[in-house]
Parts: sequence; structure tokens; C-alpha cells
Amino acid sequence: DTGVSQDPRHKITKRGQNVTFRCDPISEHNRLYWYRQTLGQGPEFLTYFQNEAQLEKSRLLSDRFSAERPKGSFSTLEIQRTEQGDSAMYLCASSPGDRGHTEAFFGQGTRLTVV
Amino acid sequence: EDQVTQSPEALRLQEGESSSLNCSYTVSGLRGLFWYRQDPGKGPEFLFTLYSAGEEKEKERLKATLTKKESFLHITAPKPEDSATYLCAVQAYSSASKIIFGSGTRLSIRP
Repeated sequence: DTGVSQDPRHKITKRGQNVTFRCDPISEHNRLYWYRQTLGQGPEFLTYFQNEAQLEKSRLLSDRFSAERPKGSFSTLEIQRTEQGDSAMYLCASSPGDRGHTEAFFGQGTRLTVV
Repeated sequence: EDQVTQSPEALRLQEGESSSLNCSYTVSGLRGLFWYRQDPGKGPEFLFTLYSAGEEKEKERLKATLTKKESFLHITAPKPEDSATYLCAVQAYSSASKIIFGSGTRLSIRP
């Protein structure tokens, strides 16, 4: 399958622990997005990479959140000192980024539960 | 600020009963408007991109249309398998990175 891949699919962690999620985008897609989604809401933008450069970060994003995309391939999202309010679905998406194709393709998400 | 509002929040239809979902948007220069389908516990699945007013796209029982202020997703003779949440999203020229989503419409089709 050549779609966006996210790992793990589910993560349960205790409050205060650090967690890291991985995203493998569709190959040759230079744009990569992270979103967070809670029940009954649409996906909320967290951050965006073009190749290895992190070009935009949501103002709502706490400094406990950090994302990387070394070498412009896979990406990781780390949440430090997790809180119960961080419980959500974390979605990764990638896009070709060229003028004719700006749509983003999503992975299946990582469901985080903080207990 | 760029914004997307979807209505209704939820819609229950009988199988075969056609209807439309609405997406109103405010954006400083529309680069693209997107429709996605999302099943429970899964990531959004891309359906359509619309770029300019008057454009239409079709896929099976779904047709998306675009005006300067809103988009409609028309569902013709729906089947139970069309039950899902339908998300609308926009991308602006001023922020060519960010894709902003509405809260979605939960569609339920009764057999």
C-alpha cells in the first residue's frame, strides 16, 4: 500500500509521560501536515513541513509539542509531559504540493488516550 | 480570519432520499476547496478538489459544486454505505500551507 502510514494506531499513556508518533508520507510528496481531531470536531491544524523545513506551526500549539522531518522523508510528533487534554486522534497527511494538486491525503491516525 | 462552517451538523435520510450538505467559507483568496469523507475511527478520505466558482465534480452518487461563498455536496439516491461524516476544507493563497476544516456533517442513511 502506498498511502500515508502512521504508527502506532493506538497509544495509552499515563499523564506526565512523553509520547512520540511516526508518520511515513506518500513517497515523493514534499508537503507533510500534522492535525489533531477530537470527537465531533473537524481536524485542527498543528504544523506543516515542506521537505525538511517546518514552515508553519499553529499558535495554539503548546511548547510541549515538537515535530521533526529529518531528510524530508518520515516525520515524528512528540508530546512531552502529556495531559488529559491531549487525548485525541493525531492525523498526518501529505500532499504533492505542486500547483495542480494541492489536496492532502491522510493516514489512519494515532488515537492517544492519556489516563 | 479564514473560516469554514458546515450545515447541518447531522442529517438522517431514508435510502434513496436525495439531499445536499452545505459548506460556507470565508477566505482571503481561495486556492482550493476540498471535500473529504470520514468513517468512525479512521482518517479522512479525499473526495474532491474545487478551484473556482462554477466548477463541479462528480463521483458515483456525489456531486460537489462551488460558488464564491459556499460549496454544496449533493447526494443523489443515497445508500446505507454512504453513511459517514463529510468534511469540507479550504486552502488560501495567503497561507498556502494550512488547510482549514469545518466541523463536518454526520450523514446517516436508513435502509
